Amino acid sequence: AQSVTQPDIHITVSEGASLELRCNYSYGATPYLFWYVQSPGQGLQLLLKYFSGDTLVQGIKGFEAEFKRSQSSFNLRKPSVHWSDAAEYFCAVGVGAAGNKLTFGGGTRVLVKP
Amino acid sequence: DAGVTQSPTHLIKTRGQQVTLRCSPISGHKSVSWYQQVLGQGPQFIFQYYEKEERGRGNFPDRFSARQFPNYSSELNVNALLLGDSALYLCASSSGGDQPQHFGDGTRLSIL
Repeated sequence: AQSVTQPDIHITVSEGASLELRCNYSYGATPYLFWYVQSPGQGLQLLLKYFSGDTLVQGIKGFEAEFKRSQSSFNLRKPSVHWSDAAEYFCAVGVGAAGNKLTFGGGTRVLVKP
Repeated sequence: DAGVTQSPTHLIKTRGQQVTLRCSPISGHKSVSWYQQVLGQGPQFIFQYYEKEERGRGNFPDRFSARQFPNYSSELNVNALLLGDSALYLCASSSGGDQPQHFGDGTRLSIL
């Protein structure tokens, strides 16, 4: 069975600093990989996805992620965070038809200091 | 265009009761999935429906059931509610193929 691990439960970063969120997955085949963001009391918004091809994926809000098959990782990065990036971030692996059955990690809560 | 809409937004029930949650997918989306998100955890997959047929089921008891209607909207039913069913229930839709899922804002279910 597939699984996703986000090793960092909380990360605090200063506004303007860079951000990297870690994600490791376990799956027997080439996975569909996703990053979602969730603001308090709201649903999930898709930041970016990896299905195949270029292993560096660009997303919305200035985020990017890199798929590294050898490390079973799909880390999310942003060069310069804004206060509005404070939220919870979830990495997910998709299996089944078009990866529509998502298995999520436990999430990383990002706090942004002024 | 409207996104995925879920109703109600909040619901309070007592143990043993039954509840029905509703989801309207984005126009043109034929796939609907349901997830349960317990406070402090990531969402867990419950069901996926595509073209009114169940295409996937997560590790949830038979108290959980769902269906999809001809207009692709969906309902999630939970019987004999337990305190542990308290959670945010998320609905997601996609158009199929390699298109990703888009989530609604969820229904917050509280069991007293």
